Amino acid sequence: EVQLVQSGGGLVQPGGSLRLSCEASGFTFSTYYMGWARQTPGKGLEWVANINQDGNEKHYLDSVRGRFTISRDNAKKSVYLQINNPRGDDTGVYYCVKEGFRQADYWGQGTLVTVSS
Amino acid sequence: DVVMTQTPLSSPVTLGQSASISCRSSQSLVHSDGNTYLSWLQQRPGQPPRLLIYKISNRFSGVPDRFSGSGAGTDFTLKISRVEAEDVGVYYCMQDTHFPWTFGQGTKVEIQ
Repeated sequence: EVQLVQSGGGLVQPGGSLRLSCEASGFTFSTYYMGWARQTPGKGLEWVANINQDGNEKHYLDSVRGRFTISRDNAKKSVYLQINNPRGDDTGVYYCVKEGFRQADYWGQGTLVTVSS
Repeated sequence: DVVMTQTPLSSPVTLGQSASISCRSSQSLVHSDGNTYLSWLQQRPGQPPRLLIYKISNRFSGVPDRFSGSGAGTDFTLKISRVEAEDVGVYYCMQDTHFPWTFGQGTKVEIQ
């Protein structure tokens, strides 16, 4: 059974930093792209970033490029999202997503990130 | 970015009847490899999204055959036949052809 267990999240001040983690099980982690999506009050569902199998290809939503960094550790079967210099409109629920070939086939339970002073 | 537009935004439906949701993209979703990467997701209240349909019409593992997808190019449809109480939620179309992947606004399906 595929499982994506997320951790991290919570309250962060504008200009601060936060790291989200996602530990995977139930599939061969190192052979799949992984991604992060979010659901915000202002924009609904948005794809934030994804990373290829060995971590040398990454794509980002324009509004987060330069502030967010996606990474992975295949030995730990984990993917991460480092959030730096967050803004109020980054507030929302963040989901870890396993990507089949160009399909978001499994989603984590979600973690709330609140950006506020 | 590709804009995905869903209609209707709300769909009251009687148990046992059918519901249909349309999704239109601002540009063709045909990839250079010949495939069209259009998916449908279901989000039940308090749950994360769940993949129902991928590449226009392929049901994902465990998805009942009451769910079907169709369409081509820029126009796509999700049909739910014989709606059951467990189908209540918000349905999203999503394109995985052009990065960044983008989503429709969502269509709320509720029992009337």
